[in-house]
Amino acid sequence: GAVVSQHPSRVICKSGTSVKIECRSLDFQATTMFWYRQFPKQSLMLMATSNEGSKATYEQGVEKDKFLINHASLTLSTLTVTSAHPEDSSFYICSARDWGSGTGGNQPQHFGDGTRLSIL
Amino acid sequence: KQEVTQIPAALSVPEGENLVLNCSFTDSAIYNLQWFRQDPGKGLTSLLLIQSSQREQTSGRLNASLDKSSGRSTLYIAASQPGDSATYLCAVLEYGNKLVFGAGTILRVKS
Repeated sequence: GAVVSQHPSRVICKSGTSVKIECRSLDFQATTMFWYRQFPKQSLMLMATSNEGSKATYEQGVEKDKFLINHASLTLSTLTVTSAHPEDSSFYICSARDWGSGTGGNQPQHFGDGTRLSIL
Repeated sequence: KQEVTQIPAALSVPEGENLVLNCSFTDSAIYNLQWFRQDPGKGLTSLLLIQSSQREQTSGRLNASLDKSSGRSTLYIAASQPGDSATYLCAVLEYGNKLVFGAGTILRVKS
């Protein structure tokens, strides 16, 4: 079945470091990928929608200069947390929509295993 | 603004029990509703997807229902097993192609 690979699974780094997280669709082309953030015991909150070949669409309250998204190919989107601080520590999850399956908005979204980011 | 609520927030049951998880949403303008499973520190596994025109979906011991007009869905788990222990998330796909998640139900099945 469709698989989304997310790397790294865990990052621990010092405050001020920039961290890049990769999200790859392994056996389908994903023109649209999504980045979510999840705080402990809370739900997933959509941060941005990543569109291949164009600028990402950010949700209200998400700083686009802080969370840089690049979707340069049909199988890869990256999220870079720039100059990360302790408050950026969270669980980040990506997903990719498989437009080749389903119709009328019912295309499935496949999720990566997430990245645990800890900023010291 | 769409809001998704899941009740209960946590549930602990002995092995073998049948159980029901509840999900409600405020805006019925949705493409579909999905139930996901999330293990600690992991991503999401899709369990069932119910299209807006459907009333229920079944997969093995899982049955999910959807009442779009009342904004409710239930996930029924039959004969629960310790391996079912996880967080269960409900999400609706809005017409703007955005998935909106509930906060989840943490399920623990005791052996």
